[in-house]
Amino acid sequence: RKEVEQDPGPFNVPEGATVAFNCTYSNSASQSFFWYRQDCRKEPKLLMSVYSSGNEDGRFTAQLNRASQYISLLIRDSKLSDSATYLCGYGNNRLAFGKGNQVVVIP
Amino acid sequence: GAVVSQHPSRVICKSGTSVKIECRSLDFQATTMFWYRQFPKQSLMLMATSNEGSKATYEQGVEKDKFLINHASLTLSTLTVTSAHPEDSSFYICSARGQGMTYGYTFGSGTRLTVV
Repeated sequence: RKEVEQDPGPFNVPEGATVAFNCTYSNSASQSFFWYRQDCRKEPKLLMSVYSSGNEDGRFTAQLNRASQYISLLIRDSKLSDSATYLCGYGNNRLAFGKGNQVVVIP
Repeated sequence: GAVVSQHPSRVICKSGTSVKIECRSLDFQATTMFWYRQFPKQSLMLMATSNEGSKATYEQGVEKDKFLINHASLTLSTLTVTSAHPEDSSFYICSARGQGMTYGYTFGSGTRLTVV
């Protein structure tokens, strides 16, 4: 089983709609979880850390489900500028990434 | 805060030569740095974990004699691709995390390597 699994998509989302996707992980001992955004041919940028209680930052909400070993990201009121690949990262002393969820917001 | 500088941003080299990529933490001390490689439309693949003052830890399948990592100070790690081949052409990215930092890892801007 891969360390981190994500459905690469693409997720074609109408502007203004809500999109959500999950990322499953295999190491139950992992303590740190993150969502990163990566634009084409650019480095990843931290979108948000993911905490057990869940956290929200504007239109973005992240959740962690330890029992089922997945983290989720929800984007509300999608903007054209949200088009990017969203990578989930996890680990303790090393940060591994999934393949990423490609989001394409359509006008 | 938490700025990571990576150089060069782009390099073209001939097969058989070596290329050195630098990763610097500008405003914090990075006890640990990570090196990734990303092929087009693929995920970031962790190559190795670089620890200041000790040997790097390589991921399974990564040749440590081909990808030399040196982390001689708390602000600088280098990756040297030795005897480069066209299949080494890729996007190499470093990331760093300082002691006590809880808000994730910061990435350099990446190095696009083309071996001809």
